[in-house]
Amino acid sequence: GAGVSQSPSNKVTEKGKDVELRCDPISGHTALYWYRQRLGQGLEFLIYFQGNSAPDKSGLPSDRFSAERTGESVSTLTIQRTQQEDSAVYLCARKGYTFGSGTRLTVV
Amino acid sequence: RKEVEQDPGPFNVPEGATVAFNCTYSNSASQSFFWYRQDCRKEPKLLMSVYSSGNEDGRFTAQLNRASQYISLLIRDSKLSDSATYLCVVPGGKLVFGAGTILRVKS
Repeated sequence: GAGVSQSPSNKVTEKGKDVELRCDPISGHTALYWYRQRLGQGLEFLIYFQGNSAPDKSGLPSDRFSAERTGESVSTLTIQRTQQEDSAVYLCARKGYTFGSGTRLTVV
Repeated sequence: RKEVEQDPGPFNVPEGATVAFNCTYSNSASQSFFWYRQDCRKEPKLLMSVYSSGNEDGRFTAQLNRASQYISLLIRDSKLSDSATYLCVVPGGKLVFGAGTILRVKS
C-alpha cells in the first residue's frame, strides 16, 4: 500500500530458523502497527508502537516473537525458531491506517 | 463479549441490490470507527471513517448508533467490484478488527 513498504514480500523458511520482517512507513509516522493474518482468518493484532512510549506488545503470541522500532523509522518483526503455525501474512500499518502489502511467510 | 463482532456472511446479492452489514462493539468509550475492505490475498484498505452519527460517500453510507453500540455499512446499487470482505475497525490505541463480512455480488 502507498506510504508503507514491507519486505520481503514473500519468505519461505525452514522450521526452526529465525526470520526478520521489515516495515518502512516511508514518510515517518509516530504510530506503527503489526498484524498477522492466517489463511482465511481475520487480522490478529501483534504489537503497536506509538512514538517514544513503551510499545503495546499484548498481541505477541509467544516469546519467540519480538519487534523493534527506533523513533519514527523502520520497524522489524523477528520470529525465532519458526514453527509451521507461524505461516501467515504479516501486515504493517501506519497512523492514518494505511497498510503495507504484507510479507507472506511460509514455514516448511 | 468480543471487542468487535461482525456477521461473517457470506452475503450473496445480485448486481444493483442494496446490502447492509452491522458491526457491534463493546467499548462504549470508542469515539471513531472505520470500515475497511479487503480483497482476496490483498491488504485491507480504508473505505470509510465514522466520527459522529454517520458518513456518506457515493453509494456507501456508514452509520453509528452509540446507544446500541453498533455501526453499519450500507451499499447501494451493488457492483460486481464490490465483492470483498468488509472489516469493521475500532481504534483505541491498537486497531481492533472484526473478523469481517464476506460480500459476493453476482451478475
